[in-house]
Amino acid sequence: EPEVTQTPSHQVTQMGQEVILRCVPISNHLYFYWYRQILGQKVEFLVSFYNNEISEKSEIFDDQFSVERPDGSNFTLKIRSTKLEDSAMYFCASREDYRGFDEQYFGPGTRLTVT
Amino acid sequence: EDKVVQSPLSLVVHEGDTVTLNCSYEVTNFRSLLWYKQEKKAPTFLFMLTSSGIEKKSGRLSSILDKKELFSILNITATQTGDSAIYLCAVCTSYDKVIFGPGTSLSVIP
Repeated sequence: EPEVTQTPSHQVTQMGQEVILRCVPISNHLYFYWYRQILGQKVEFLVSFYNNEISEKSEIFDDQFSVERPDGSNFTLKIRSTKLEDSAMYFCASREDYRGFDEQYFGPGTRLTVT
Repeated sequence: EDKVVQSPLSLVVHEGDTVTLNCSYEVTNFRSLLWYKQEKKAPTFLFMLTSSGIEKKSGRLSSILDKKELFSILNITATQTGDSAIYLCAVCTSYDKVIFGPGTSLSVIP
């Protein structure tokens, strides 16, 4: 069964450093998403992406964040100048281009620890 | 501000019990409501609801949406220990934004 993959599974970085989280969505999916989940808290929407453009972003997704689909398979989230409060699990998700069907498939997540 | 509220936040039941999980929402440009199950890591999809009054069923799980009262329920009958998880309710908007609720943590004890 096709699945969304994410790398790395765990990333440790120092405050102020830049990190890139990578995702490979399911191959025939056209809509992509990033979420984060701080330990013990709810899943928070960051951004949705379609046709090489951001569709919608949350208040969390400020200038520190950017997304890119650099080739036909990868979807990346870049966090510039990481802060301690960026420590969280980051999930990538994707869905098909099927009108009216919102089922998203989630990747296993990348745990980001900022020290 | 868009929000999704779930209740209860935590629930402990015995195997065989029936549970009802609640989700209410205040979201502009509603498109659909989704239920997910989160065990150790990533959420897994359970149901998508877009129309009021139409029950979705999958085995012992069922869900229904009331768009007039802005809520949904998820029912689990004859609970098993494998049902222990966090159940997430999320609402998708027309602009492809997804708002999650805080989740209901369900523990099923033998």
